Amino acid sequence: GENVEQHPSTLSVQEGDSAVIKCTYSDSASNYFPWYKQELGKGPQLIIDIRSNVGEKKDQRIAVTLNKTAKHFSLHITETQPEDSAVYFCAASRDSGGYQKVTFGTGTKLQVIP
Amino acid sequence: NAGVTQTPKFQVLKTGQSMTLQCAQDMNHNSMYWYRQDPGMGLRLIYYSASEGTTDKGEVPNGYNVSRLNKREFSLRLESAAPSQTSVYFCASRSYSGNTIYFGEGSWLTVV
Repeated sequence: GENVEQHPSTLSVQEGDSAVIKCTYSDSASNYFPWYKQELGKGPQLIIDIRSNVGEKKDQRIAVTLNKTAKHFSLHITETQPEDSAVYFCAASRDSGGYQKVTFGTGTKLQVIP
Repeated sequence: NAGVTQTPKFQVLKTGQSMTLQCAQDMNHNSMYWYRQDPGMGLRLIYYSASEGTTDKGEVPNGYNVSRLNKREFSLRLESAAPSQTSVYFCASRSYSGNTIYFGEGSWLTVV
């Protein structure tokens, strides 16, 4: 089955600096890669996603890049703010008989220091 | 529009007790999921229901049962709780045509 590895497990940055979280996946059939943000005491929420036919996608201060050949994708957050502090999960997904099989990474706890 | 609602939010059980976690979504989604979240383990799929009337095992189904009661509701049952089932449980749903998975707020379960 799919295996998604996520690094680092914790990340501390100064406010205003950039943060990068990296994930690798093993199943070449995976074609959809979402990123979720989980705030303390809440459920994960989708913040950005990318499909396998796209190399990069940007939404204001966050961007995701995908390298299909190397099977890795990354989340980039620029100009970090204290409200970016949360746990971030990457995921790799593919269609499987009408059902979307999703495998999550183990999460990165991001702390933005004011 | 409440999204995905799960109850209870907190529960303490004694080993061997049973309980059911309830989940309902109001987005008319076809697929529903139950995940557990443990430190350092990410989100692991317990059971899923691709559509009303079907359920299938995920990555960690042992010790759990599920019921897709109707299109809105998907419950998770622990028949004989064990300390290893202490975790945070998330219900989620997704439409058939969309990719986004919507999560509930979580249920914190402690088995002593």
